[in-house]
Amino acid sequence: KQEVTQIPAALSVPEGENLVLNCSFTDSAIYNLQWFRQDPGKGLTSLLLIQSSQREQTSGRLNASLDKSSGRSTLYIAASQPGDSATYLCAVQTGANNLFFGTGTRLTVIP
Amino acid sequence: GAVVSQHPSWVICKSGTSVKIECRSLDFQATTMFWYRQFPKQSLMLMATSNEGSKATYEQGVEKDKFLINHASLTLSTLTVTSAHPEDSSFYICSLGGRGRYEQYFGPGTRLTVT
Repeated sequence: KQEVTQIPAALSVPEGENLVLNCSFTDSAIYNLQWFRQDPGKGLTSLLLIQSSQREQTSGRLNASLDKSSGRSTLYIAASQPGDSATYLCAVQTGANNLFFGTGTRLTVIP
Repeated sequence: GAVVSQHPSWVICKSGTSVKIECRSLDFQATTMFWYRQFPKQSLMLMATSNEGSKATYEQGVEKDKFLINHASLTLSTLTVTSAHPEDSSFYICSLGGRGRYEQYFGPGTRLTVT
C-alpha cells in the first residue's frame, strides 16, 4: 500500500526566507503528485500538480519538483510571506479513485 | 476548476443521533464524488467513492451501515453518520471527480463534533 510521508511536520520561518518542504512516497507507480494548501478548519486548495512524466511545475513563488524513481517531491516557496502560513499536503494518485495524502507540514511564517 | 460546497460547515450532535452532511457541485455535473475523513494531525483518508445512481464503494475498515452515502443526482451527494459516537468526531471533506481523468475538486469540509 502506498505510504506518503512529509517532513518536517512543522516549520517556522521568518518572513522573506526561502523554504523547502519534503514529501516521499513508497510506491513509484503513480500517475501524478499534487501539493495542496489547507488553512485551519478549511478544505483543500490545489497548488501544483505534477504529472508522472514531468520533473517540475512552477506557479508564482512556488516550485514543485518530482523524482518519481526515488519517490520524492519537494515544494519550494520563495520569499515567504505571513499569508503563506497554512498546512501543506502532498498527495499521490495511483488510480482514478486512489489519492493518498501525507500528514502535512504546518508552516508558520513570522512577520 | 469546479466549485464544491458542503453543508453544514460545522455541526455538534449528541452521541447516538444521526447527522447528514451534504456535498454539492455548484457548476459541474459530477458522476463520481469522494468522501474523506481527517482526524486531528492525521492525513485525509478516503472513506468511500460515490457514483451517481449506484451504490457507494467503501474503503476497507469503513462501515457502510454506519456511514450512509446517497448520490441521487449529478450535483448532490450526502453522507449520513448514523448512531454517532464521540470517536466519529472528525473533519469530513468531499471531492468530486473533474473532467480530467484524475482531477478532484475538494469541498471546504464539515467539522463534526459528537458529544
